[in-house]
Amino acid sequence: GAVVSQHPSWVICKSGTSVKIECRSLDFQATTMFWYRQFPKQSLMLMATSNEGSKATYEQGVEKDKFLINHASLTLSTLTVTSAHPEDSSFYICSARTPLAQETQYFGPGTRLLVL
Amino acid sequence: LAKTTQPISMDSYEGQEVNITCSHNNIATNDYITWYQQFPSQGPRFIIQGYKTKVTNEVASLFIPADRKSSTLSLPRVSLSDTAVYYCLVEYGNKLVFGAGTILRVKS
Repeated sequence: GAVVSQHPSWVICKSGTSVKIECRSLDFQATTMFWYRQFPKQSLMLMATSNEGSKATYEQGVEKDKFLINHASLTLSTLTVTSAHPEDSSFYICSARTPLAQETQYFGPGTRLLVL
Repeated sequence: LAKTTQPISMDSYEGQEVNITCSHNNIATNDYITWYQQFPSQGPRFIIQGYKTKVTNEVASLFIPADRKSSTLSLPRVSLSDTAVYYCLVEYGNKLVFGAGTILRVKS
């Protein structure tokens, strides 16, 4: 139980294009999902908290107009990197909380983004 | 300032017990401590979670002293496949703070 998937697992795009990453909770409904970014040899950095049916809450320093988050259903949240640039290249990871264990996050496998 | 601190790296040999400590001085009464394991290019995998005293599951134990300002992840009899980065996560109220991660290298 508590499986989270991400799609795609990796993506290469040209500078200036937009990229959408999906995060799905496969066997549970997630009222809250989180989006993280991880640079090589660094810890996870929380970007935003996504609640179903409401606007995402962004961490300080994260541009909400550049990283669009949509949590349209209890099993799906999407992160869109708009007008991507090489400095946006990173490992993006989502996580979700189960209603029965509000203290625990279960993570997806991550999405590697490379912007050329 | 909420901070979660852990050692940068640790080395061990197969079959040994490994203890990784995390400091979280500003932890509040209702905050949980969670440990994750991460392999390269993968998402973190949940290991164990605790609130106080001791928690044990099939892969690890978590020791939390009475003052809760630190916690220790204990991995019994590690194997080569336990080589990974281990993260301590504390949610200070609504603020999630990951430690920098501890690189565990298990040698044969």
